[in-house]
Amino acid sequence: KAGVTQTPRYLIKTRGQQVTLSCSPISGHRSVSWYQQTPGQGLQFLFEYFSETQRNKGNFPGRFSGRQFSNSRSEMNVSTLELGDSALYLCASSGLAGGMIADTQYFGPGTRLTVL
Amino acid sequence: DAKTTQPPSMDCAEGRAANLPCNHSTISGNEYVYWYRQIHSQGPQYIIHGLKNNETNEMASLIITEDRKSSTLILPHATLRDTAVYYCIVSDYKLSFGAGTTVTVRA
Repeated sequence: KAGVTQTPRYLIKTRGQQVTLSCSPISGHRSVSWYQQTPGQGLQFLFEYFSETQRNKGNFPGRFSGRQFSNSRSEMNVSTLELGDSALYLCASSGLAGGMIADTQYFGPGTRLTVL
Repeated sequence: DAKTTQPPSMDCAEGRAANLPCNHSTISGNEYVYWYRQIHSQGPQYIIHGLKNNETNEMASLIITEDRKSSTLILPHATLRDTAVYYCIVSDYKLSFGAGTTVTVRA
């Protein structure tokens, strides 16, 4: 079974631009979560989607948004990029419904975003 | 905020068992203990999880104390490829990663 895939793997943007990252979950998984990892803050939860609905949300500004499609693929968008948005963005999928007891999450390789 | 406490780092000799401790004194009754690891610049990798009983799989063993306030991850025969940051997580709807333990396996 193929793992979680994320595209692109690397991205360079400038301040003020916006960016869209894509995540394809493991086949059959319906829950997709997004995380941001920076050296200073570590791994932080952004949001989680299940059946095209955002079920849970972390403590990030509204510039960070996401969506999920009917095939469970998910995208996250960051608008008006800031230097501090430079990070590794990780997507994880799981087989159980989000918002319930946590299920094992399987992570993709991440997208490395650099904001100049 | 992370609900767990782990030592920041530890070394292990190749071929020996690595015992990674984790304190989670505020764990609630329906929360699981999960362990993940992250090798440099890769996505975290699931290792094992448990609720009350000890668990074992092909990667590791998880020992949870009877009061569930602490646990130990055991890598039975550490190899150089086990060098990584290991995260102990008490789960609810999201995984709250702390700083983890940086494990260095030395030849």
